Amino acid sequence: QKEVEQNSGPLSVPEGAIASLNCTYSDRGSQSFFWYRQYSGKSPELIMFIYSNGDKEDGRFTAQLNKASQYVSLLIRDSQPSDSATYLCAVKGSGGYQKVTFGIGTKLQVIP
Amino acid sequence: NAGVTQTPKFQVLKTGQSMTLQCAQDMNHNSMYWYRQDPGMGLRLIYYSASEGTTDKGEVPNGYNVSRLNKREFSLRLESAAPSQTSVYFCASSRGQDGQPQHFGDGTRLSIL
Repeated sequence: QKEVEQNSGPLSVPEGAIASLNCTYSDRGSQSFFWYRQYSGKSPELIMFIYSNGDKEDGRFTAQLNKASQYVSLLIRDSQPSDSATYLCAVKGSGGYQKVTFGIGTKLQVIP
Repeated sequence: NAGVTQTPKFQVLKTGQSMTLQCAQDMNHNSMYWYRQDPGMGLRLIYYSASEGTTDKGEVPNGYNVSRLNKREFSLRLESAAPSQTSVYFCASSRGQDGQPQHFGDGTRLSIL
């Protein structure tokens, strides 16, 4: 079982819709959760982090965490073509000082 | 403010050759990291440095060595390149020592023939 699982996509949504990106993790002791955005051919960019159960909102982005279900998601409201990118989920687990594990990323395509 | 600067951006090597990837950050960050990114594998940590003078192995350290030259610079060396090391390499940094990379360099696209 992979430690951090994401559907590679592509996930296609029309412009203006809500894009929902999902991630599950295996380490029940994980404490910190991150979302990075990576445009094609570019480097990852940290866009959200969440530590507590529930929702965290930042502009059009909402991160959701459910530790009981070992599930974290990223919602993008009013999706724009400029949101088209690969979104990487990363989880800081309980095993060691630098144990941050990345998922393979979900490719999002926003159709104008 | 350049952030994290990596050199070179592209490199082609022959099997058995050696090379050093350079990384420098100008944000006074404590922690620095080297990752590789392969299709279908996600980002994998090669080595990290939690502070100046310290380095530790990550998930996939075999075939690599690192040097934290000072607080700004963290280099990655391939002593004897192998085709399996063909990848995109990212250097990253973070202010704290919590293991979460905050800023990434533009990457080095390395091909080993």
